Amino acid sequence: KAGVTQTPRYLIKTRGQQVTLSCSPISGHRSVSWYQQTPGQGLQFLFEYFSETQRNKGNFPGRFSGRQFSNSRSEMNVSTLELGDSALYLCASSPGQGSTDTQYFGPGTRLTVL
Amino acid sequence: AQRVTQPEKLLSVFKGAPVELKCNYSYSGSPELFWYVQYSRQRLQLLLRHISRESIKGFTADLNKGETSFHLKKPFAQEEDSAMYYCALRRYGGSQGNLIFGKGTKLSVKP
Repeated sequence: KAGVTQTPRYLIKTRGQQVTLSCSPISGHRSVSWYQQTPGQGLQFLFEYFSETQRNKGNFPGRFSGRQFSNSRSEMNVSTLELGDSALYLCASSPGQGSTDTQYFGPGTRLTVL
Repeated sequence: AQRVTQPEKLLSVFKGAPVELKCNYSYSGSPELFWYVQYSRQRLQLLLRHISRESIKGFTADLNKGETSFHLKKPFAQEEDSAMYYCALRRYGGSQGNLIFGKGTKLSVKP
């Protein structure tokens, strides 16, 4: 099976703009999670979607939002970008049904905010 | 508060030496603990989980609830073990996607 894919891989934006990142999970996986990775804070959970519904949300401001489509693909949006939003954004998918499911991570989208 | 602490940012050992990557956690309920690994230019991937009690690539980890630790160990390090290692936690039986990660330890195995 193809792995988790994320597009775009690199993105440069300026402060105040908004951005949309995309994640395609492994075929058959219904759960998609998003994480932000920065040198200072490490890996932090943003949110998780399962069957088009947000199942969990991390401690991020409302500028960070996401959604999941019926084919399980997911997007996350960041509005009014700030310099501190520069990070690697990782997406992970899992089947989503069992408590022992393994998460599979994508390569990430590197966002730079100037 | 739920927290995972990896006290060492960098751990450097020689090939053939034992290695122990430390992980301590703070969690009020029943946690499920994981070790993830990221090799150079590769994706983050699961190495092992405490409920499986298995050995992967010679690595083992035992959950010590008394000391709230989940240290990763390998008796004889290999150069190919050089990577970033992340300890992670989630609520047992909880949603799969909500992991709390430590900040990672970079393991460097010298020849």
